[in-house]
Amino acid sequence: AQSVTQPDIHITVSEGASLELRCNYSYGATPYLFWYVQSPGQGLQLLLKYFSGDTLVQGIKGFEAEFKRSQSSFNLRKPSVHWSDAAEYFCAVGRFGNEKLTFGTGTRLTIIP
Amino acid sequence: DAGVIQSPRHEVTEMGQEVTLRCKPISGHNSLFWYRQTMMRGLELLIYFNNNVPIDDSGMPEDRFSAKMPNASFSTLKIQPSEPRDSAVYFCASSRTSGGTGELFFGEGSRLTVL
Repeated sequence: AQSVTQPDIHITVSEGASLELRCNYSYGATPYLFWYVQSPGQGLQLLLKYFSGDTLVQGIKGFEAEFKRSQSSFNLRKPSVHWSDAAEYFCAVGRFGNEKLTFGTGTRLTIIP
Repeated sequence: DAGVIQSPRHEVTEMGQEVTLRCKPISGHNSLFWYRQTMMRGLELLIYFNNNVPIDDSGMPEDRFSAKMPNASFSTLKIQPSEPRDSAVYFCASSRTSGGTGELFFGEGSRLTVL
């Protein structure tokens, strides 16, 4: 069965600092990987996704993520965070031919001035 | 294009009452998902439909929960009778897939409080 672990429940970062959110997955074959963001009171919005090809993927709002098969990781990064990035971030894993996604428990990001 | 539309956005009801949550997926999307989000359990997939047919309902908690998709533009999630532990935010999501895993588009959710 596929699973996702987001080891950090809550991260606090200063505005302008760099950010890395961790995501580890468990799946036997090549996974489909996603990062979603949820602002308070809102639904989830896709930031970026990895299906195949280049292991460094670019997303919206200046985010990127790198797929590392050897480490079973798909960490999300941003070089300089903005106050508007404060939200909850979810990593998710799926597989070809199956529409079900398994979500991690999320990482809450707080931005301080 | 309009996104996924859910109603009601907020529902407060008393234990034992019937609750019906509604979802209109994005036009042209052929898969629809119902998720439940709580602090304790995170985001859980309850059920999903493909071309209006329920494919996997293994996440539905118990017989009190039921979901229908009578046509491509409408789905309901019903809880009868409701219990306080059903309090959560219920999300509907849709996608356009043809064998692969597609991006999920989420609605803004229905926050349910059962007193």
